[in-house]
Amino acid sequence: DQQVKQNSPSLSVQEGRISILNCDYTNSMFDYFLWYKKYPAEGPTFLISISSIKDKNEDGRFTVFLNKSAKHLSLHIVPSQPGDSAVYFCAHINTNAGKSTFGDGTTLTVKP
Amino acid sequence: DVKVTQSSRYLVKRTGEKVFLECVQDMDHENMFWYRQDPGLGLRLIYFSYDVKMKEKGDIPEGYSVSREKKERFSLILESASTNQTSMYLCASSLGGAGSPLHFGNGTRLTVT
Repeated sequence: DQQVKQNSPSLSVQEGRISILNCDYTNSMFDYFLWYKKYPAEGPTFLISISSIKDKNEDGRFTVFLNKSAKHLSLHIVPSQPGDSAVYFCAHINTNAGKSTFGDGTTLTVKP
Repeated sequence: DVKVTQSSRYLVKRTGEKVFLECVQDMDHENMFWYRQDPGLGLRLIYFSYDVKMKEKGDIPEGYSVSREKKERFSLILESASTNQTSMYLCASSLGGAGSPLHFGNGTRLTVT
């Protein structure tokens, strides 16, 4: 089974700077990783994904990087905005089983 | 946009009560899921379903059951609520297929006293 670890419970950055959120995984066999953002009192919303055949995927201010040799992926937000303050979850999808495994989440605070 | 609706935002129940959490999605998605979210533990999968009347256990199914009688509706049942089931419960649906993201409802905050 895939395990997904987000080792930083929280991150604080200044508005306009880069936010880097990290995620480690254990099983080299995977299809997709996804990042979700969650505001208080709301459900998580999908942000960006990356497949195992890519090293990078970019969508506007959000870029996800994949380092397969290190079993590590990271989400970069540039420039960070106060509205980005939320909990960010990294998740693996087991396409065969159809279920997602989530990390514990990282709380990002972007200070004005 | 996909809409996943959970019937209650907040529930307070007593220990031993039978509790029903309801979830409806409007996009004809095949897959539906129930997660619980607890501080420091992320989202943990309780049960999921690929089709009507089908269900699969997730990582923490003990003390829970589910029902999917119609494609759009997926119910989570706590047979006999206990205080350790106090949590935020999140329902999600997905189209299925490679990389298909989950679409979540806004959650039900359940407190068992």
